[in-house]
Amino acid sequence: AQTVTQSQPEMSVQEAETVTLSCTYDTSENNYYLFWYKQPPSRQMILVIRQEAYKQQNATENRFSVNFQKAAKSFSLKISDSQLGDTAMYFCAFGRDGGTSYGKLTFGQGTILTVHP
Amino acid sequence: DTAVSQTPKYLVTQMGNDKSIKCEQNLGHDTMYWYKQDSKKFLKIMFSYNNKELIINETVPNRFSPKSPDKAHLNLHINSLELGDSAVYFCASSRPGVLGNEQFFGPGTRLTVL
Repeated sequence: AQTVTQSQPEMSVQEAETVTLSCTYDTSENNYYLFWYKQPPSRQMILVIRQEAYKQQNATENRFSVNFQKAAKSFSLKISDSQLGDTAMYFCAFGRDGGTSYGKLTFGQGTILTVHP
Repeated sequence: DTAVSQTPKYLVTQMGNDKSIKCEQNLGHDTMYWYKQDSKKFLKIMFSYNNKELIINETVPNRFSPKSPDKAHLNLHINSLELGDSAVYFCASSRPGVLGNEQFFGPGTRLTVL
């Protein structure tokens, strides 16, 4: 079974600065996907970024980028030029690539990020 | 257009009652899920259906019964509600085997059992 661990329950950052959220996972799979989801106070779950394990290149989406270290089973999220709208709970999640698992995601415990003006 | 919708968004009820939450997706996905988010915000899978067939049942009490009339709908019926059932319930959908089963979530239903 896969496990996902987010060791930072809460983080804070000043507007316009950079912050990194940590995530580690445990799996015996070789092919998989990792995700960061954002849950603002509205409680809607929003996909921030996705990383395919077979790709060595780190995924980037505008101000959001990841540092994917497959051997270390680490998947951190970097938010550059933080904005007030980035205030949310951030979840790291693991998903298997294909197979018969029919896609359940295993989530970490979440990190509450607060961006201060 | 809403991709994954849930009704109701809020549900307040008494212990012992039976209630249902409905979910619909218009993404053409084959797989739908129910997740429970507890008071500590931890998200855990409850059920997964693929093309109306139950695939995942993660040790959920028998009082919870999902029903999928077609692959665009997955409803959750809860019998004899208990205080511990208070949580936010999320419906999600995905296309299996595509992009790691990236899930598209509904807005959530906050269930409060008094």
